[in-house]
Amino acid sequence: DSGVTQTPKHLITATGQRVTLRCSPRSGDLSVYWYQQSLDQGLQFLIQYYNGEERAKGNILERFSAQQFPDLHSELNLSSLELGDSALYFCASSPGLTGGQFFGPGTRLTVL
Amino acid sequence: AQSVAQPEDQVNVAEGNPLTVKCTYSVSGNPYLFWYVQYPNRGLQFLLKYITGDNLVKGSYGFEAEFNKSQTSFHLKKPSALVSDSALYFCAVRGGYGGSQGNLIFGKGTKLSVKP
Repeated sequence: DSGVTQTPKHLITATGQRVTLRCSPRSGDLSVYWYQQSLDQGLQFLIQYYNGEERAKGNILERFSAQQFPDLHSELNLSSLELGDSALYFCASSPGLTGGQFFGPGTRLTVL
Repeated sequence: AQSVAQPEDQVNVAEGNPLTVKCTYSVSGNPYLFWYVQYPNRGLQFLLKYITGDNLVKGSYGFEAEFNKSQTSFHLKKPSALVSDSALYFCAVRGGYGGSQGNLIFGKGTKLSVKP
């Protein structure tokens, strides 16, 4: 158990819908990262937050957004969902800006 | 731009034999390299990292990795494989020049299969 929690574990929704994925980092970790894992794209970095502020952006679509709250948990919002958004979404956390990352169990999103 | 390559989609090893999972990297500046393992329906688990120092890095579950600057490689090794080591292994490098960014850039993964 890495200490990073993600909810829900599974999410099934329809195209065009909006969903929110939640992540709680390890106690004391200030950085939160979101990654998407799909069969065709592999593991891709989406976005990083540090202590409430956005720090780095990867291949995140404009339909996706994220935020980190004062209690350091983070949410990833996915809107206008398409079939191709079906993937495993991981959250990771680290103590600082560039430390080793610990991954949560992931949320499996299925868009029908 | 930082990148890593895992040239083998799958590695098959007999239990008790040594295993090697290959990784090569391309970076600007000093590399910050990592190995993670993913078991079915699980998240990624950290195995080991190279930041600086000894070229042989020891990690969790008896794994080690050898950093080779001249060959730009960071191969994962274990002297004696276990059936329970069967999983998907990812090599990763920290993004940004000289690893200045926090995000990780992953290879495509290598499926390790250890047969009894």
